[in-house]
Amino acid sequence: AQSVTQPDIHITVSEGASLELRCNYSYGATPYLFWYVQSPGQGLQLLLKYFSGDTLVQGIKGFEAEFKRSQSSFNLRKPSVHWSDAAEYFCAVASSGGSYIPTFGRGTSLIVHP
Amino acid sequence: GAGVSQTPSNKVTEKGKYVELRCDPISGHTALYWYRQSLGQGPEFLIYFQGTGAADDSGLPNDRFFAVRPEGSVSTLKIQRTERGDSAVYLCASRLDPSYNEQFFGPGTRLTVL
Repeated sequence: AQSVTQPDIHITVSEGASLELRCNYSYGATPYLFWYVQSPGQGLQLLLKYFSGDTLVQGIKGFEAEFKRSQSSFNLRKPSVHWSDAAEYFCAVASSGGSYIPTFGRGTSLIVHP
Repeated sequence: GAGVSQTPSNKVTEKGKYVELRCDPISGHTALYWYRQSLGQGPEFLIYFQGTGAADDSGLPNDRFFAVRPEGSVSTLKIQRTERGDSAVYLCASRLDPSYNEQFFGPGTRLTVL
């Protein structure tokens, strides 16, 4: 069965600092990987996704993630955080079959200090 | 264009009551998903529709939960004999068709069972 681990429940950074959110997955084959962001009272918004090809994926809002098969990781990065990035971030893995049913991690809450 | 909408945005009910939660997917999207998100957790898959039929209902926790999508568009999640443990945010997502791998999420319905 597929699973996702987000080891950090909370991350606090200063505005302008760099950010890395960790994600480790467990899946038998080549996974489909996603990062979503959820602001209070909002639905999930897709930041980026990886299916195949270049292991460094660019997303919206200046985010990027790197797929490392050897480490079973898909960490999310941003070089300079803005106060508006404060939100909950979810990593997810899905099978490469047709249903695309993702399994989500428990999320990492990002707090941004001015 | 319009995104995924869910009604009501909030629902408070008493233990033992019946509730219905509605999802309006993006027009033309053939796939529809329901998830449940408990406090401090990531979304958990409940059921997936492809057209009018439930292609995968393996995430429904028990027979008190049921969902329909009679015309392949709007879906209703039905919960009978609600329990306090059913309190959560129920999220709906839609996807264009089997060849398209991105899901679009609605804002959710917050269900509180007293």
